Amino acid sequence: AQSVTQLDSHVSVSEGTPVLLRCNYSSSYSPSLFWYVQHPNKGLQLLLKYTSAATLVKGINGFEAEFKKSETSFHLTKPSAHMSDAAEYFCVVSVGQAGTALIFGKGTTLSVSS
Amino acid sequence: EAEVAQSPRYKITEKSQAVAFWCDPISGHATLYWYRQILGQGPELLVQFQDESVVDDSQLPKDRFSAERLKGVDSTLKIQPAELGDSAMYLCASSLEASSPLHFGNGTRLTVT
Repeated sequence: AQSVTQLDSHVSVSEGTPVLLRCNYSSSYSPSLFWYVQHPNKGLQLLLKYTSAATLVKGINGFEAEFKKSETSFHLTKPSAHMSDAAEYFCVVSVGQAGTALIFGKGTTLSVSS
Repeated sequence: EAEVAQSPRYKITEKSQAVAFWCDPISGHATLYWYRQILGQGPELLVQFQDESVVDDSQLPKDRFSAERLKGVDSTLKIQPAELGDSAMYLCASSLEASSPLHFGNGTRLTVT
């Protein structure tokens, strides 16, 4: 069965410092992995997607994630946090077979202080 | 940029009443999803459509929930009767095809009193 575990329910950083949001996955197949962001009272927005091409994936707003098969991890990073990054972040896995939808982690709330 | 449209934005209803949500996906997107997001949790898939056909409704509580996409374009999700535990954000998403990234609407926040 496919699943993702987000290791931190809440991460707090100061503006200008690095961001690390951790995600481990479990999949019987070669997974497709995603990070989505959700700002308050907004829909979910795709940050980036991994689909077995390059293991380091660059996304929007300066975020990137590295797929590490040996560690079954797909951690999200950003070198320097901005106040506007404060939001809920979801790590998501898809088996990749046609007709299979996404399975979301429980989410990590990122707080950014000035 | 094209968006997934959902209405209403907010809905308050009393338990045992019927409620319906509407979703208009991005034009040309064949795959449509309904997700439920309970406060503090990640979204959970309720139903997935490919054109007008249901691909996956294994997590849809079929005794009270129904979903349709009659012409393979817009979709309606209905709850009858609503229960207190149905209070949640209901998100619609669409994708060009099943393996493509999902585009989400802003959701309908349901409160059952």
